[in-house]
Amino acid sequence: DQQVKQNSPSLSVQEGRISILNCDYTNSMFDYFLWYKKYPAEGPTFLISISSIKDKNEDGRFTVFLNKSAKHLSLHIVPSQPGDSAVYFCAAANQAGTALIFGKGTTLSVSS
Amino acid sequence: NAGVMQNPRHLVRRRGQEARLRCSPMKGHSHVYWYRQLPEEGLKFMVYLQKENIIDESGMPKERFSAEFPKEGPSILRIQQVVRGDSAAYFCASSQAVGDGYTFGSGTRLTVV
Repeated sequence: DQQVKQNSPSLSVQEGRISILNCDYTNSMFDYFLWYKKYPAEGPTFLISISSIKDKNEDGRFTVFLNKSAKHLSLHIVPSQPGDSAVYFCAAANQAGTALIFGKGTTLSVSS
Repeated sequence: NAGVMQNPRHLVRRRGQEARLRCSPMKGHSHVYWYRQLPEEGLKFMVYLQKENIIDESGMPKERFSAEFPKEGPSILRIQQVVRGDSAAYFCASSQAVGDGYTFGSGTRLTVV
């Protein structure tokens, strides 16, 4: 049973526009959420995180929104750049746990 | 300050052989995590270790897989008698403390032929 779901395997966006990547989770014990970016043949790189006490966290072009009642979070990238083309993984954890639970990823392609 | 170092980057093994994957955490990090990524899948947690201790191995297959993080040297993920289904990318991550963000290594791509 997948506890973290990224239902869109891929997303294509034009340079300069907004990219919105979505993630749903089922475990209400999760209270910490992260987004990772991954290029081919490299390990995931941490992008941004959000704690369940917040509903928004912003870092430069990246903003993560959390809707706890819907068990949904999203990553907004604006403006999108060709260098943002990568696989984006959503991950979740509970503060007492040690394991991050990852979604299957969404491949973002930003065209110039 | 070097990041998380994994070696080898690529490993080819015949069915029935042993695979040893090594991970050196970032300097100052004493928590190591191993994840596996099968093709078209997300990363799946395998095991969490601190120096000389396995803290959480709930994601480890019950047979053939073992992990250690000795007092000196890198963490080792060992897969005995490999099968084709073990072919995957194995990522190691480290953190300074539980709950801190992870830093991932570049992974070891295991191919079983």
